[in-house]
Amino acid sequence: GNSVTQMEGPVTLSEEAFLTINCTYTATGYPSLFWYVQYPGEGLQLLLKATKADDKGSNKGFEATYRKETTSFHLEKGSVQVSDSAVYFCALRGDTSGTYKYIFGTGTRLKVLA
Amino acid sequence: NAGVTQTPKFQVLKTGQSMTLQCAQDMNHEYMSWYRQDPGMGLRLIHYSVGAGITDQGEVPNGYNVSRSTTEDFPLRLLSAAPSQTSVYFCASSYSWGPIQETQYFGPGTRLLVL
Repeated sequence: GNSVTQMEGPVTLSEEAFLTINCTYTATGYPSLFWYVQYPGEGLQLLLKATKADDKGSNKGFEATYRKETTSFHLEKGSVQVSDSAVYFCALRGDTSGTYKYIFGTGTRLKVLA
Repeated sequence: NAGVTQTPKFQVLKTGQSMTLQCAQDMNHEYMSWYRQDPGMGLRLIHYSVGAGITDQGEVPNGYNVSRSTTEDFPLRLLSAAPSQTSVYFCASSYSWGPIQETQYFGPGTRLLVL
């Protein structure tokens, strides 16, 4: 079945550092890929998504490119801020009946220090 | 729009007690789902619904019941709470179910502690 693997956290960075959070997936067909963010005490919010190979999703300075050849969707940001401290979830949704359910990774906690 | 709302925010139960976690959305969304979030496990799907009167099991359905009598509401029932059900529960909804990649909207969560 479909699955998502993302890097273990926590990740601790200084403000303005470069961020990469790795995410790889296993799926048949052509799934859509998502990054969700969860701020302390809140529910998840969609950060960005990509629905086909080579698509780049971007939002709030974050980017991720759908790489089918490496089955990856790594999250990057060039310069993190303290306000980016949160838990980040990679997720996948299949494109065929029976695989529409979202599959989430385990989450990566990011802490940005001033 | 209020979006997806959940009540209560926090609940303590004793083993064997029952309770209902409420979830409502005002966006006329067809698809609704319940997840539990546990440390190191990410989000796991408990039950989901693709429309009023239609529900199905997710990855971890045991010990939970759901029903969907209206488009707006999707309550989650714990019939006899167990300590293993201590978790944070999230309700989510999206406009439709199918090949179109609809964004899921999440509620703020219910933190449940079973003693």
